[in-house]
Amino acid sequence: DAKTTQPPSMDCAEGRAANLPCNHSTISGNEYVYWYRQIHSQGPQYIIHGLKNNETNEMASLIITEDRKSSTLILPHATLRDTAVYYCIVRVGGYGNKLVFGAGTILRVKS
Amino acid sequence: DAGVIQSPRHEVTEMGQEVTLRCKPISGHNSLFWYRQTMMRGLELLIYFNNNVPIDDSGMPEDRFSAKMPNASFSTLKIQPSEPRDSAVYFCASSPTAGNTIYFGEGSWLTVV
Repeated sequence: DAKTTQPPSMDCAEGRAANLPCNHSTISGNEYVYWYRQIHSQGPQYIIHGLKNNETNEMASLIITEDRKSSTLILPHATLRDTAVYYCIVRVGGYGNKLVFGAGTILRVKS
Repeated sequence: DAGVIQSPRHEVTEMGQEVTLRCKPISGHNSLFWYRQTMMRGLELLIYFNNNVPIDDSGMPEDRFSAKMPNASFSTLKIQPSEPRDSAVYFCASSPTAGNTIYFGEGSWLTVV
């Protein structure tokens, strides 16, 4: 699985958009970009994933560059409850393939 | 819908004792994963199963650790004998056959004293 690089921490004002970057310059054509988050004392929570097109769901948007070497997770209106560790993971698609977690980005949403 | 269910949620045990952690995956999911999380090492994949068959156990730290999946709705992770360095949060996760998303349980917090 390709390695990802994320900033160790970021701050965001409540109500503003949080933009979390991720570099994955060695990504292969069959690898998806996944985002999970982990709120303190809880299990990791799936947010969104994509292959090459931008994706949006009720939680977030995922913007993947055309060359697929980087991506950005966007939380459009961050709240205090979005304070968590956010993990960007590159993973081969398909049944049963594992997720390998890095260190992630600690996002602190401040009032 | 019920998510991944883990038990016990918290356990404190003495060094040398056997510890058994249990997991019930989401109904219909055919892949099951065991992870361990510590401050020093982060989230580590220990082992995963597809259709009840262990596929990759390269993350299992040593022979003291063993995992089984006797059927599609139940898995155990056993540590025997336990050591203080095994203190961690152990997460179980599952994913469906047709989809890519892995769903995690709330974890079992293990303290070995």
